Amino acid sequence: GQSLEQPSEVTAVEGAIVQINCTYQTSGFYGLSWYQQHDGGAPTFLSYNGLDGLEETGRFSSFLSRSDSYGYLLLQELQMKDSASYFCAVGGGGNKLTFGTGTQLKVEL
Amino acid sequence: DAGITQSPRHKVTETGTPVTLRCHQTENHRYMYWYRQDPGHGLRLIHYSYGVKDTDKGEVSDGYSVSRSKTEDFLLTLESATSSQTSVYFCAISEPIAGLGTDTQYFGPGTRLTVL
Repeated sequence: GQSLEQPSEVTAVEGAIVQINCTYQTSGFYGLSWYQQHDGGAPTFLSYNGLDGLEETGRFSSFLSRSDSYGYLLLQELQMKDSASYFCAVGGGGNKLTFGTGTQLKVEL
Repeated sequence: DAGITQSPRHKVTETGTPVTLRCHQTENHRYMYWYRQDPGHGLRLIHYSYGVKDTDKGEVSDGYSVSRSKTEDFLLTLESATSSQTSVYFCAISEPIAGLGTDTQYFGPGTRLTVL
């Protein structure tokens, strides 16, 4: 089976940098994805790491280390609109994803 | 926008009644999924489909059934709703990520179901 762990809550101030970690245990690994979900909304895809290393998309970066079964999402220049829940998800084959329980990010002034 | 709609968006029902939720997509995606989302549990896969009349169970399939008679529609049925099935239900489709050689999932707006 698959299991993922991420912190339940992170708080940071506007303009700061925050890192959300995700560790996983899987029986098969087909990449690590990150999703953002605002209150009352649907999850939306942010980034994907299939190989080790850093992927950058604007203010957001995501990192993967397959040997450590670990990844993180890095958010820079935090804005109030970044307040949301962030989910890591691993692909396990068959086009299926297993999601972590989510990290609620609160951005304060 | 991956062209996914869900209906109804909100529903209140009573224990023991049957409930059907509909997911409709307009872009001919092969894979479709039903998830439930509950506080502290994230998104959990109920059932998924990999083609017309081809479905399989996810991790929390007990009490749920699905049907896919057309590519565009994926139905989730609670045969006899229970209070433990009060949740937000999301439908999703799988779509290739441009330039990455893999797929990701895009979600519909969700259905908030309350079972009294």
